[in-house]
This record gives sequence, structure tokens and C-alpha cells, in this order.
Amino acid sequence: KAGVTQTPRYLIKTRGQQVTLSCSPISGHRSVSWYQQTPGQGLQFLFEYFSETQRNKGNFPGRFSGRQFSNSRSEMNVSTLELGDSALYLCASSPRPGQSNEKLFFGSGTQLSVL
Amino acid sequence: QKEVEQNSGPLSVPEGAIASLNCTYSDRGSQSFFWYRQYSGKSPELIMSIYSNGDKEDGRFTAQLNKASQYVSLLIRDSQPSDSATYLCAVNAGGGSARQLTFGSGTQLTVLP
Repeated sequence: KAGVTQTPRYLIKTRGQQVTLSCSPISGHRSVSWYQQTPGQGLQFLFEYFSETQRNKGNFPGRFSGRQFSNSRSEMNVSTLELGDSALYLCASSPRPGQSNEKLFFGSGTQLSVL
Repeated sequence: QKEVEQNSGPLSVPEGAIASLNCTYSDRGSQSFFWYRQYSGKSPELIMSIYSNGDKEDGRFTAQLNKASQYVSLLIRDSQPSDSATYLCAVNAGGGSARQLTFGSGTQLTVLP
């Protein structure tokens, strides 16, 4: 079974630009979550999608947005990039939300560098 | 603010020894607890989950949970150089229909040959 697939693997952008990251969950998984990982802040929750609906959102500005398609694939968008947005963006999938014993499986991530 | 704290490390143990990794959490409503392993330059990999008080063993790994003390730990027996990685403790407060993990900052473990 293929794992969580994220594209692209690396991105270099400049301040003010916008970026779109893509995530394909494990086949059969319907919940997709996004996390940001930086050396200073560690892993932080961005948002979660299930059935094309955002179920929860972390403490990030509105420049960070996402969506989920009917095939459970998800995209994350960051507008008006800032230097501090440089990070590893991780997508994780799970079969469905709402179960306390659900496990997250992470993709390899997209390493975003903002210059 | 919900917090997850891990012993800062780095932690070095000789090969064959027991490595002990600790984590405390602030939200008493937390229901699910996870340990992830992250090799340098790689994504986190789930190695253990625990939901009720006590010990849970899986091979060389044992997770321990004490909800009264808000404490969760991971023991790695017979540590191997391949266990050298950063170990992340993650907690899910649960409830509702959302899925959101709060991660600790991680403990870097080095197993010396």
C-alpha cells in the first residue's frame, strides 16, 4: 500500500509570493492533516480536513489555507510568503477523524525555503 | 495553552543499554498518547500508541502511561545504533470530531556502538 505522497519535495520562493503544496493520503484514508515543522517551534498543527470540510484549525494566520477534494487529496496554500514560513510542511492521513485511537501517518514533507 | 514537555536531551546511551524517554502533558483531558521516531531529514514515524494507564510493550519498545501524574514514557531495551533519532511525544486531547496532535519538542537519542 502506497504511503502518504507529498509534492513537491523541495520549494524555493521569495517573500510575497504564494505557494501551493499537494498531498495524496494513503488509499482509503479520508482524513488529512497538515503540520508545520521548524527547528524553533517544532511540529505545529495547521488544519485538518475530512470529507472536503475543514474540521479544525491551528493557531496560524489566515495566509495559511487549505482544501480537500472528493478523492481525499488535499492542497495547502500559503499566500504573501514571509521568511518565517520557511519550514518542513508535513501532511498526515488517517482513516477518519473523531476516534481517539486514530493514528496519523506522515508523508515525507515539502521543504519550503523563503528567500 | 496545551503543552507537551519532553526531557531536553540530547541523550546518549551505549549499545545494548535501556534508553528512557520522558514526557509530561498539561491537558488532563488528553486521551491518546503517541511516540514518533524521526530520523534526520525524514518524516515522523509512529512507533507506539497508548490510551490507558499502565505499560504497553511492542518488541523492544515499552510505553508507560500515568494519567494521574500526566506522564508518559518510552523505554527502548537493547538499544541499537539504528535507534539513534529524535523521539517525539504527541498527545491528542480527543473529543469532538477533530484530529489534532500536540507534539513535544523531541528528545535526540544517540546510541553509541
